[in-house]
Amino acid sequence: QVQLKESGPGLVQPSQTLSLTCTVSGFSLTSYNVHWVRQPPGKGLEWMGVIWSGGNTDYNSALKPRLSISRDTSKSQVFLTMNSLQTEDTGIYYCNRNRGYYWGQGVMVTVSS
Amino acid sequence: EIVLTQSPTTTAASPGEKVTITCLASSSVSNMYWYQQKSGASPKLLIYSTSSLASGVPDRFSGSGSGTSYSLTINTMEAEDAATYYCQQWSSNPPFTFGSGTKLEIK
Repeated sequence: QVQLKESGPGLVQPSQTLSLTCTVSGFSLTSYNVHWVRQPPGKGLEWMGVIWSGGNTDYNSALKPRLSISRDTSKSQVFLTMNSLQTEDTGIYYCNRNRGYYWGQGVMVTVSS
Repeated sequence: EIVLTQSPTTTAASPGEKVTITCLASSSVSNMYWYQQKSGASPKLLIYSTSSLASGVPDRFSGSGSGTSYSLTINTMEAEDAATYYCQQWSSNPPFTFGSGTKLEIK
């Protein structure tokens, strides 16, 4: 069945780089788009970006200078990299597929020294 | 960027009551998706393509709208429907923005 699972460090220091992985199963990354969405504690959802099935990417313009999404299709993994982290980047990070039909469980990221 | 304005921000309903949540877009969008999120859980898709019910979603949920005005309706409120609801627009080009959310409580 379709599954997505986010992983990464729970704690990142300010100004450092965040690296998250979304490991998928039950489908091919060359057939489906994968989106990243984040949610600060107690706040709403923010669309961050997408890697399309063809490999192209699009980003939230507010995050674009700091954000990169890539993938390794052989490992069924999608990667999110975001630099210059600040405390406002604290939150739960989700990956999803099919316009939100399938979601990962999310990974909590805290930016703190 | 298309901005989605949800209303109300917070509301409460008694069991059996009808609930309507509105999502207004700053520009016309081709369709709207609605998600339900319960505390500590990932969002769950309820409605796709404005009015289609996602698999397994009770038929007391429905969606409608066009252009810049969309709505999610719960025909008869149940206790398990207490959650936060988000709209998301999927226009032809990104960013695919979310509304700010509506917290629905049971009376």
